Amino acid sequence: SQQGEEDPQALSIQEGENATMNCSYKTSINNLQWYRQNSGRGLVHLILIRSNEREKHSGRLRVTLDTSKKSSSLLITASRAADTASYFCATDSGAGSYQLTFGKGTKLSVIP
Amino acid sequence: GAGVSQSPSNKVTEKGKDVELRCDPISGHTALYWYRQSLGQGLEFLIYFQGNSAPDKSGLPSDRFSAERTGGSVSTLTIQRTQQEDSAVYLCASSPIVNYGYTFGSGTRLTVV
Repeated sequence: SQQGEEDPQALSIQEGENATMNCSYKTSINNLQWYRQNSGRGLVHLILIRSNEREKHSGRLRVTLDTSKKSSSLLITASRAADTASYFCATDSGAGSYQLTFGKGTKLSVIP
Repeated sequence: GAGVSQSPSNKVTEKGKDVELRCDPISGHTALYWYRQSLGQGLEFLIYFQGNSAPDKSGLPSDRFSAERTGGSVSTLTIQRTQQEDSAVYLCASSPIVNYGYTFGSGTRLTVV
């Protein structure tokens, strides 16, 4: 089963609106990462949040992590058409782990 | 190089043939990973290399799959006797240290006909 599960599977919003995507996971982690994928090819690393952090910002991105609920959210503010992509969360599986497990992603469509 | 380079970008092969996929990681990145992604799915871990340590092959789906990393740099993923279910995008990633953000290549789209 997937370590990380994104929700919703698909999201369609108007340009300028905020987009929120959620990720739930099952086991304890060292860190959680978010990636973006355009056109089914390579993924781009967006942000990494460590298990002892609760919130992190990068430009228009805001990531939160709640380890008690084993969940994370990615907020994209003031969305642009160029933000249209699939977004994946990725988690390791705790101490000594090096393998990231990816969810199936949220497909975001930003309508101009 | 500036990024992770994968070749070929697309490969169409006949069922039963062998294929080799190549990955050039970012210079100095000691960790290298192979994943594959089937249509509309998440990424499936295949294999991991870290420096001179023995690779973690636990994700390879069958003994038809093998990979090597020469000189701690370039990696080749080989699929023998390809099957239609091997059709997917094969993604390579590297990172400077374990569990740091990965840099992905653009992938090789493999189609077995």
